[in-house]
Amino acid sequence: KQEVTQIPAALSVPEGENLVLNCSFTDSAIYNLQWFRQDPGKGLTSLLLIQSSQREQTSGRLNASLDKSSGRSTLYIAASQPGDSATYLCAVDNQGGKLIFGQGTELSVKP
Amino acid sequence: DVKVTQSSRYLVKRTGEKVFLECVQDMDHENMFWYRQDPGLGLRLIYFSYDVKMKEKGDIPEGYSVSREKKERFSLILESASTNQTSMYLCASSPIPTGTSGSADTQYFGPGTRLTVL
Repeated sequence: KQEVTQIPAALSVPEGENLVLNCSFTDSAIYNLQWFRQDPGKGLTSLLLIQSSQREQTSGRLNASLDKSSGRSTLYIAASQPGDSATYLCAVDNQGGKLIFGQGTELSVKP
Repeated sequence: DVKVTQSSRYLVKRTGEKVFLECVQDMDHENMFWYRQDPGLGLRLIYFSYDVKMKEKGDIPEGYSVSREKKERFSLILESASTNQTSMYLCASSPIPTGTSGSADTQYFGPGTRLTVL
């Protein structure tokens, strides 16, 4: 059974720092891996999707990488801003649309 | 712009009541999903649907049922609400995965319904 783990559970950094969020999964037979952002009390917003054949995706200050063989993904955030404060969730799709989520990393960026 | 809407942001119900949570998407997506989110447990899939009138159990279907009579609407039903169903409920939709580059295969989420059962 697929299991997704995110480390750390919480992270606090000063504004301007570059940071890395980690996601690991136990079953490498995935269709894709997705990173989401969730603000308190709100729904999820998609950030990046990496297909199983890809190694990375970039959007603005965000870069997500995927290493299927080791069961790992990282989300890199450059030059962090207070507006980046949120919970970041990693999810893998290994059944053609059905996502398995990690528990999330709660990020706080201090001004 | 892509949109998934849920009928209520906040809902308070009594134990034993029948509760309907509605979700509507305007993207002509085939797939729709219902999750619940609880502190320390993360998001867990309750039910999903790949097409009209089709439904499949997720990881925690007990105490819930669903209905999908039209492609754009997916309803979650709590037949007899209990206090352990107090939670945040999130609906999502997605197209049939294509495997192509970009965000075409992503799931789009609604704003969530925070349900309290007293």
